[in-house]
Amino acid sequence: QQQVKQSPQSLIVQKGGISIINCAYENTAFDYFPWYQQFPGKGPALLIAIRPDVSEKKEGRFTISFNKSAKQFSLHIMDSQPGDSATYFCAAGGGTSYGKLTFGQGTILTVHP
Amino acid sequence: GAGVSQSPSNKVTEKGKDVELRCDPISGHTALYWYRQSLGQGLEFLIYFQGNSAPDKSGLPSDRFSAERTGGSVSTLTIQRTQQEDSAVYLCASNEGSGNTIYFGEGSWLTVV
Repeated sequence: QQQVKQSPQSLIVQKGGISIINCAYENTAFDYFPWYQQFPGKGPALLIAIRPDVSEKKEGRFTISFNKSAKQFSLHIMDSQPGDSATYFCAAGGGTSYGKLTFGQGTILTVHP
Repeated sequence: GAGVSQSPSNKVTEKGKDVELRCDPISGHTALYWYRQSLGQGLEFLIYFQGNSAPDKSGLPSDRFSAERTGGSVSTLTIQRTQQEDSAVYLCASNEGSGNTIYFGEGSWLTVV
């Protein structure tokens, strides 16, 4: 009930390409869906987040697409750059604390120059 | 201003010993969270403090794990009688309580040998 499933585990993209990472959740009480970016040796940092009242949110090259009926959401990175190479985590939360999050397993993104 | 500060950054301990990990949240942040990140895994929620309220301990994996937060600021996560499966990065995060974004520290890497 509390799981968030993330795919793929790893992704290799050429510079300039589109990176797509998908997540699915089960708990319909979730109402906050952030994506975190983590570089080696660093803590995760919030990249972009969405609430279920909208189907898409875009910030620069990063877009979240949200499908409430399917309980799925995805991260699209347009014009991927080598500097985007990192581990990406989707998460879900809500209720009394938006900091108490259920995370996906992570996707290691490698962008080749 | 300073971010979330964690210490030690690395700790190697012998199986059966107790360890203490420290977190100093961002000044003014009323909410503090501990997460665990095992190798190649997503983040697992452990415990959450909000102001003077009783902590949400629902993620602690066993009674060997405990945490306290003194004076509404610094927090200590204690693991008693450490086991090899406790080896992981322990991440602390904080936010303003009512806000969505949580800010992570760089973590304490614990290795139990």
